[in-house]
Amino acid sequence: DADVTQTPRNRITKTGKRIMLECSQTKGHDRMYWYRQDPGLGLRLIYYSFDVKDINKGEISDGYSVSRQAQAKFSLSLESAIPNQTALYFCATPGSGVEQYFGPGTRLTVT
Amino acid sequence: AQSVTQLGSHVSVSEGALVLLRCNYSSSVPPYLFWYVQYPNQGLQLLLKYTTGATLVKGINGFEAEFKKSETSFHLTKPSAHMSDAAEYFCAVSGPPAAGNKLTFGGGTRVLVKP
Repeated sequence: DADVTQTPRNRITKTGKRIMLECSQTKGHDRMYWYRQDPGLGLRLIYYSFDVKDINKGEISDGYSVSRQAQAKFSLSLESAIPNQTALYFCATPGSGVEQYFGPGTRLTVT
Repeated sequence: AQSVTQLGSHVSVSEGALVLLRCNYSSSVPPYLFWYVQYPNQGLQLLLKYTTGATLVKGINGFEAEFKKSETSFHLTKPSAHMSDAAEYFCAVSGPPAAGNKLTFGGGTRVLVKP
């Protein structure tokens, strides 16, 4: 199983602020993913990375950017936060097969 | 393209009764299918997965799901609900590893268990 940590766990920020959410994994997986969860919509893919030099947009990448600083770290940034980016954010890495394992999540509130 | 539809955003069952959560998917390639559970204020935990082979898959906590290609369904069941099963359940589909194993989720079904 992947060992994924996310920081911060909770964050309240104001409209227009820049914010970064961080994800770290200890299993050495090449692939990492960022999802956002909204009530009734399930989780939707924001960005994913096959390795440090291979980053791809997901379904809802507008308003977000990412950085893969190292194999173990994958950060998600909101350059100018807006209220409809209020959501739960999850980082994920692969398991031993085709499944993904999720971090504990970051609850972000944009006021 | 792939998509997932979960029928019923909320399901209420009595303790000891059958739990049945419905999931239908759409995929242009042979799918990999998953059920995840999310307990209050927690992350997602993998319940079970279907990749290839046996169409009835067993997962943790007494849950199982059956892949029916002809019906494009992957319904989740548990014969006897327990209070601890109260949670939100998500069905998901992914494509092949070469395409990134990107997960597409359904909207989720919240299960309430009545004593």
